[in-house]
Amino acid sequence: KAGVTQTPRYLIKTRGQQVTLSCSPISGHRSVSWYQQTPGQGLQFLFEYFSETQRNKGNFPGRFSGRQFSNSRSEMNVSTLELGDSALYLCASSSMTSGRTDTQYFGPGTRLTVL
Amino acid sequence: GENVEQHPSTLSVQEGDSAVIKCTYSDSASNYFPWYKQELGKRPQLIIDIRSNVGEKKDQRIAVTLNKTAKHFSLHITETQPEDSAVYFCAARTDRGSTLGRLYFGRGTQLTVWP
Repeated sequence: KAGVTQTPRYLIKTRGQQVTLSCSPISGHRSVSWYQQTPGQGLQFLFEYFSETQRNKGNFPGRFSGRQFSNSRSEMNVSTLELGDSALYLCASSSMTSGRTDTQYFGPGTRLTVL
Repeated sequence: GENVEQHPSTLSVQEGDSAVIKCTYSDSASNYFPWYKQELGKRPQLIIDIRSNVGEKKDQRIAVTLNKTAKHFSLHITETQPEDSAVYFCAARTDRGSTLGRLYFGRGTQLTVWP
């Protein structure tokens, strides 16, 4: 099976702009989670989607939003970009077995730089 | 919410020696503990995981131990090789409740194996 893919891989934006990142999970996986990775804060959870519904949300401002489509692909959007939003954005996909989340596999990430 | 602490933050060993990384967690409801390896510029990759109904798990040179009473788990790498050099992250997850599927990560350990 193909792994988790993310597009674009690199993005440069300026403050105030908005950005949309995309994640395609492993075929058959219906759960997609998003994480922000920075040197200072490590890996921080943004949100998780399952069957087009957001099940969990981390402690990020409302500028960060996401959605999931019927084919399980997910997008996250960041509006009004700030310098501090520069980070590696990772998504992870997993299947569910008996209501339990299975192993989560990460995509290669999108490196966002805000100037 | 869950809090995962990881030590040490950096670890240098000679090739062939063993390396041990330790993590503690705070939420007794956590029942799944994966370890990810992240090489520079690459995605986190799962190397081993353990569920709370198991005390130890081994996969070739890698082992993980879990002490539920003390709420800590450890990664053991034996016969280290230069290609083991990477950042290692521990994580904890609960498979029920409002945080279903959310991974809480430690801050990471930079392991360097000297030839």
